[in-house]
Formats: sequence, C-alpha cells, structure tokens
Amino acid sequence: DVKVTQSSRYLVKRTGEKVFLECVQDMDHENMFWYRQDPGLGLRLIYFSYDVKMKEKGDIPEGYSVSREKKERFSLILESASTNQTSMYLCASRPDTTRSAFFGQGTRLTVV
Amino acid sequence: KQEVTQIPAALSVPEGENLVLNCSFTDSAIYNLQWFRQDPGKGLTSLLLIQSSQREQTSGRLNASLDKSSGRSTLYIAASQPGDSATYLCAVRPGSNDYKLSFGAGTTVTVRA
Repeated sequence: DVKVTQSSRYLVKRTGEKVFLECVQDMDHENMFWYRQDPGLGLRLIYFSYDVKMKEKGDIPEGYSVSREKKERFSLILESASTNQTSMYLCASRPDTTRSAFFGQGTRLTVV
Repeated sequence: KQEVTQIPAALSVPEGENLVLNCSFTDSAIYNLQWFRQDPGKGLTSLLLIQSSQREQTSGRLNASLDKSSGRSTLYIAASQPGDSATYLCAVRPGSNDYKLSFGAGTTVTVRA
C-alpha cells in the first residue's frame, strides 16, 4: 500500500513562529501536493511539485513556501505563522498525472 | 476556472438504503474525476478514479458514473451501512497538462443504524 506520512497530527504554534510541516511518501511518486482544508471552503491547493526541486504555486500560496530536495519528501514552510493559517493541512502524492492521488492523515495546525 | 459543486452538503439515511451522491463541474473538458472518502479529523482515502473516456467505475458496493457533456458525476453506494458514515469529496483534474485537482466541498453522510 502507498503510504503518505505527515510528521505531526496536531501542532500548536505561536504567531510569528516559523513552522515546518513535513510529508514523506514511500512509493517513488513524481507529484506531491500541499492543501489546506477549512470548513465551508473545502480543499484549496497551496503548492505542488511535479519533480524533485520543482515547485509551482497553487491557488493560495501567500504566506507559504515549499521545499523538495528529495523525491520522497515535500515540506511546507510557514515563514511567519499567523492566526489565519490555523487549519487542517493535507499532503498528497501521485505517481503521475493519470493515476490516483493518495493523501496523508493530515496535520491540524493551531496558531495562537 | 473549474468550479466543482456537491449538493447536498449533508445527508442522513437509514441503514440499508442506497446512497446517491452528486458532483457537478462547470467545465466539461476534464481529464479525470476522483471520488474520496474522509473520516472526521483524518486524511482522504481514494475510492474511485474515472478517466474522461470512461462512463463508470465500480468497486464492491461503490459505483461511480461520469457524464462529461452534462458536467456530472454520481457516486452510488449500495445497501448503506453505519461504517459508510463519512464525508465524500469529488475532485476533477481539468486537463492533461494540468497537475491540479479541483475539489468540491463534500457531502457528509450519516447512516443511521
């Protein structure tokens, strides 16, 4: 089975902190994604990566950056956390553009 | 921009009833459509993927149909069980050169024992 693992299930950070959310997949997938999920707004794409060291902005990249130094790992960085970044963050990976995406278990981030 | 809508937002049915979940999208030029299940506080689990050339996909009690021309997909769950209670989301991949998935807001299903 494909496994997409996010480093934390729950995280509480203070306003202004730099926050790292890590995602690792074990199936040599090319594509990786970071979404945030908020009630009433559904899933919104923050960033995605179609290959190592490649990244593209999604629909809501402001306040975030990403890093993909190795194929299996895609990191989401909140440069200076703010309370409006309190959300559920979901990482996904996909072997290629024709096949299913697989999601991690999610990280619920609270910024206080 | 592709807009994906799922109506109703919530649904409650007695155990044993068949479930019908709807997904509509504004741009019919899609590459594929995927249905996911999400349990409370958890990530998404892929259920079915339908390529644009297909009309339906089946897996056990689940059947998903796709009508590109009308911009609709329907997920049928036969003989519902309390364990089917979850939120179901559909996601559309707009085109062959588009890496993104556009998600609906989901339908939250409660199956009453």
